Amino acid sequence: AQKITQTQPGMFVQEKEAVTLDCTYDTSDPSYGLFWYKQPSSGEMIFLIYQGSYDQQNATEGRYSLNFQKARKSANLVISASQLGDSAMYFCAHLDSGYSTLTFGKGTMLLVSP
Amino acid sequence: NAGVMQNPRHLVRRRGQEARLRCSPMKGHSHVYWYRQLPEEGLKFMVYLQKENIIDESGMPKERFSAEFPKEGPSILRIQQVVRGDSAAYFCASSPLRQGVTDTQYFGPGTRLTVL
Repeated sequence: AQKITQTQPGMFVQEKEAVTLDCTYDTSDPSYGLFWYKQPSSGEMIFLIYQGSYDQQNATEGRYSLNFQKARKSANLVISASQLGDSAMYFCAHLDSGYSTLTFGKGTMLLVSP
Repeated sequence: NAGVMQNPRHLVRRRGQEARLRCSPMKGHSHVYWYRQLPEEGLKFMVYLQKENIIDESGMPKERFSAEFPKEGPSILRIQQVVRGDSAAYFCASSPLRQGVTDTQYFGPGTRLTVL
């Protein structure tokens, strides 16, 4: 079964600094997708960024980028120039080609201070 | 371009009552997924449906829980005879036609169920 590990229960960062949220995964499937979602205090789940296992380049979406290291099975989320509105829970999720459903990590709470 | 809609946003039930949670997928999406989030946990998959078909219900408890996605209307997650342990946030997600690992699932705002 797939397994997603987020080892940082909480992270603190100052406004305008960059922060990296860790995510490692365990799969034997060569084809898979990795996703990051943001859950603010209001509770909704917001899709941030996607990385495919065969993508040659690391994914980027605005201030979000994914540091994808396939050999290490890690897919860390990098948020550049943190803003106060980035304070939220962040979930890493994995999708194997043989499955239809996402497997989520337990999340990392990010707090951005002024 | 409306996103995934869920209602109600908050639902309070007494033990033994029934809970009905509704989900309307994004326009053009034919795949619906239900997930449950317990306090301070990540989301756990429950069931995956297409119109009139349950594709994968491996994450759904065998008793008291059922789901449907009729030809017309929203997807419904139904919990009969609720117990306190059912208190959680229930999220619905949708995606367009299945293309494999590139499918992004877009989530609704969730329904927070509280069982008294």
